[in-house]
Amino acid sequence: QSALTQPASVSGSPGQSITISCTGTSGDVGAYNYVSWYQQHPGKAPKLMIYDVNKRPSGVSNRFSGSKSGNTASLTISGLQAEDEADYYCSSYTSSITVVFGGGTNLTVL
Amino acid sequence: EVQLVESGGGLVQPGRSLRLSCAASGFTFDDYAMHWVRQAPGRGLEWVSGINWNSGSIHYADSVKGRFTISRDNAKNSLYLQMTSLRPEDTALYYCAKDTGYSILGYFDYWGQGTLITVSS
Repeated sequence: QSALTQPASVSGSPGQSITISCTGTSGDVGAYNYVSWYQQHPGKAPKLMIYDVNKRPSGVSNRFSGSKSGNTASLTISGLQAEDEADYYCSSYTSSITVVFGGGTNLTVL
Repeated sequence: EVQLVESGGGLVQPGRSLRLSCAASGFTFDDYAMHWVRQAPGRGLEWVSGINWNSGSIHYADSVKGRFTISRDNAKNSLYLQMTSLRPEDTALYYCAKDTGYSILGYFDYWGQGTLITVSS
C-alpha cells in the first residue's frame, strides 16, 4: 500500500493553468478508473473535487478537470484564482479493495 | 444537510485502547459505505479503514490491520473505530467520511471535522 506519488508543490499566477500529476501502479491508478482528487484548505476537512478520473461533483467549478493515462492521473486547474491555493490529494481504489492517497501537493497562487 | 460528527478522541498512552464514534445524519446511512481517514499533524491524508453498507465487506490499511476494528450500527446511524495497541505513530486527526455508494469505492463526498488522537506517555 505505497502512497501515490505527487509533486510536493506547484505554483502558478492568477489566470494561468497548472497540472498536478499522481503516479501509481498497475494495481491502483492503472487498474481502475476509481481515481479522485481532494482540495484541503488549512484547518479544514478535505473536499471532493473530482471522481471517476474526470467527473465533477455538483457545485465544483468547471475550471477543475481530471484525466488519466496508464498509471498516472492528472488534475488540471485552469484560470487560477487566489482561492485555489490549497493542498491537493489524489486517491485511488486498489486491487486489495483498499484506498490509497497521494502524498499531497501544495498549490501556491503567486 | 449531511452531517458527520466524530467523538471519542483524546490523549492516550501507548499500548492502550480507544473507541471512536461517528454520528451521521441528513442521509440514508445504510445506503452508503463509510470510512475512517486520518491525518497526522502537518502530514498528508491516510486511509485507515472502510466498511460497506451492510458490514459484509470490511478492509484496513496495512498500518492498522490487526489492531483496529471498524463497525457500524445502521439502526443508530453510527460508525465506530475500535483502536487497540495504540502507537505514537497513530497520533492524528481522525475523520469519518461517507462514500458515494453502498460498496467501497473510495470516493469521500462528505467528511466530519475530525477527532484528534494523541498517543503519548
